[in-house]
Formats: sequence, C-alpha cells, structure tokens
Amino acid sequence: EVQLVETGGGLIQPGGSLRLSCAASGFTVSSNYMSWVRQAPGKGLEWVSVIYSGGSTYYADSVKGRFTISRDNSKNTLYLQMNSLRAEDTAVYYCARVVRQGYGDRFTLSYYYYYYMDVWGKGTTVTVSS
Amino acid sequence: EIVLTQSPGTLSLSPGERATLSCRASQSVSSSYLAWYQQKPGQAPRLLIYGASSRATGIPDRFSGSGSGTDFTLTISRLEPEDFAVYYCQQYGSSGYTFGQGTKLEIK
Repeated sequence: EVQLVETGGGLIQPGGSLRLSCAASGFTVSSNYMSWVRQAPGKGLEWVSVIYSGGSTYYADSVKGRFTISRDNSKNTLYLQMNSLRAEDTAVYYCARVVRQGYGDRFTLSYYYYYYMDVWGKGTTVTVSS
Repeated sequence: EIVLTQSPGTLSLSPGERATLSCRASQSVSSSYLAWYQQKPGQAPRLLIYGASSRATGIPDRFSGSGSGTDFTLTISRLEPEDFAVYYCQQYGSSGYTFGQGTKLEIK
C-alpha cells in the first residue's frame, strides 16, 4: 500500500528549530518528486517546498532561507528542517507525492506533463509559541 | 507568481443539486498543470481532478473539471452528502505550486 506518515511536530518556541520526517512505503521517495504543504489553523493550503527526483529543491518565499527539504534514500524518508521558526509557521504540515506524468498529444505531436499531488500523509502539527 | 482566486468563498446547496466552483488564475496556466482537491475536516486533501479535466483514480463521475487559460471550473453534477467539504484548485509553475484559497461547499 502506498502511504506517507509524517512525524516530528510539536510545540516549539519562536526562533527554535524542528525537523519533520515523512516516511514513505509502497514507493521510492528518491524516484519521485516530493513536497511539503502546510495549513494554518482555519486557513487554506499553502505550498512550502518541493524536491525533485534529480535533487533540485524549491521553496515558497515565506520559508526561503529558513527551511530545508531533503531526503534519505536508505530510509525512504523525506525531511523538512525548519529553523528560525515564527508564530506564523504554526500549521499542520503535510507531505505529498508529486506526480510528473508525461503524455503525448496526437494532434500537435507534442509531449506534455501533468503535475499533481496524488498521495498525502495525515499531517503533523507544528505550534510555534512562547 | 500566479495567483489563483476561487469563487464563491462559500456555496450553500442541497443534496441532489449541481455545484459549480470557479478557479481564476492571474495569468494563463497550462491545463496540464491545474488540479483540484477535496478536503474534509480533520483530513488530508484528496486529489479529485488533474490536467484540468482528468478524474483521479476512484473519483466518481459526478465530478468533472473543465476550462483553459485563466478560467477553470469544477462541477459536481448531483451532490451527495459526502461531497460537502472544502475544494481547492492548485497549479504548478516554474517557481513552485500555488493553491487557491478554497471554496467551502456547505449543506443548505
């Protein structure tokens, strides 16, 4: 069964650090694009970061320079290192598998890609408060 | 950065009715990059539609997506009790992924 399980959330003081983990089963993290998405209490979804299968990483402006996404291929696990935490980082953090699915258009004879998040974990809660 | 604006913010309908949810982008988005998700309270989001109009595995055919360019629509043809939830559109871009602010579909 394809599954993602996040751990590592908790209560942390402003300015502190926390590392979230996302253990995958049923597929290989390193062969996929993987992302973190968060949701502040009562708010909508906010994309945080992505790591591509080739290792490239990208971040939302709100976390750039403070958060680092990484993976451990031997443990089939995705991580999010969060430093200099702020109250506005309080949220449920979800990890998700990003599908990059190619397809050919028989009319234009061009090749395109779909991008979407098809598997999500249940989330882990991070609360930044003194 | 592309901004996705969803409307309405809240939609009040009864089971059996048709729901039409809108997602408007601040600039043109490739249809391949547009997805829709459903989220119920206390649960993770669930993929409904990818590529603007392709249903994800296991999604009932009462859910359909359409649109191109800057205007996209999620339609639920006949609402079932389990469809009342929050719906998000999402796009992939060169600088990352962005979500709309969500539409809450509530029972009238």
